[in-house]
Amino acid sequence: DQQVKQNSPSLSVQEGRISILNCDYTNSMFDYFLWYKKYPAEGPTFLISISSIKDKNEDGRFTVFLNKSAKHLSLHIVPSQPGDSAVYFCAAREGAQKLVFGQGTRLTINP
Amino acid sequence: DAGVIQSPRHEVTEMGQEVTLRCKPISGHDYLFWYRQTMMRGLELLIYFNNNVPIDDSGMPEDRFSAKMPNASFSTLKIQPSEPRDSAVYFCASSRIGPLGYTFGSGTRLTVV
Repeated sequence: DQQVKQNSPSLSVQEGRISILNCDYTNSMFDYFLWYKKYPAEGPTFLISISSIKDKNEDGRFTVFLNKSAKHLSLHIVPSQPGDSAVYFCAAREGAQKLVFGQGTRLTINP
Repeated sequence: DAGVIQSPRHEVTEMGQEVTLRCKPISGHDYLFWYRQTMMRGLELLIYFNNNVPIDDSGMPEDRFSAKMPNASFSTLKIQPSEPRDSAVYFCASSRIGPLGYTFGSGTRLTVV
């Protein structure tokens, strides 16, 4: 039923190390994948995206990897900083403009 | 640009009462979305509009939920009658066509007691 799944509800990483957030999907028709970041009492904000025809997209400390054969994507944050502590949502685009989101992963960066 | 504006920020109501959530999208955005955030399912799409026309309401839980977009700058999500299981954070988002994603509002935290 859930087309986009984030199986880790939470992740704790030491400051300066790499954070890796994972996401799995079931629908092979998704054409874009996105990551959103959400702070408490705020709406999610767009972080980074990747087209289904690519396998990697990088933006500063953030890199998204897509493995279409495994229907899996991941977000790497290097190096992790305290301000990265937030809930991260994986999303996939279905059709013209509809985004399907996962359950979210709460990332905590420890000093 | 003030972003997507939602009101109220918090709503506490008694079971059986009618609740109306409001949203003002970003000017020039063609699409408007209503999402609900829950622990179990994350962000669930309830309904979305394109040029004020409802396109997909398959996520609306049941007939107690309804949404309207009378013009390009305003949308409402109504729950009547409300139930405790409707308690959640409701987000409105808007976008132009394209893959760069949406702009979300700050959400309305609804508590039904």
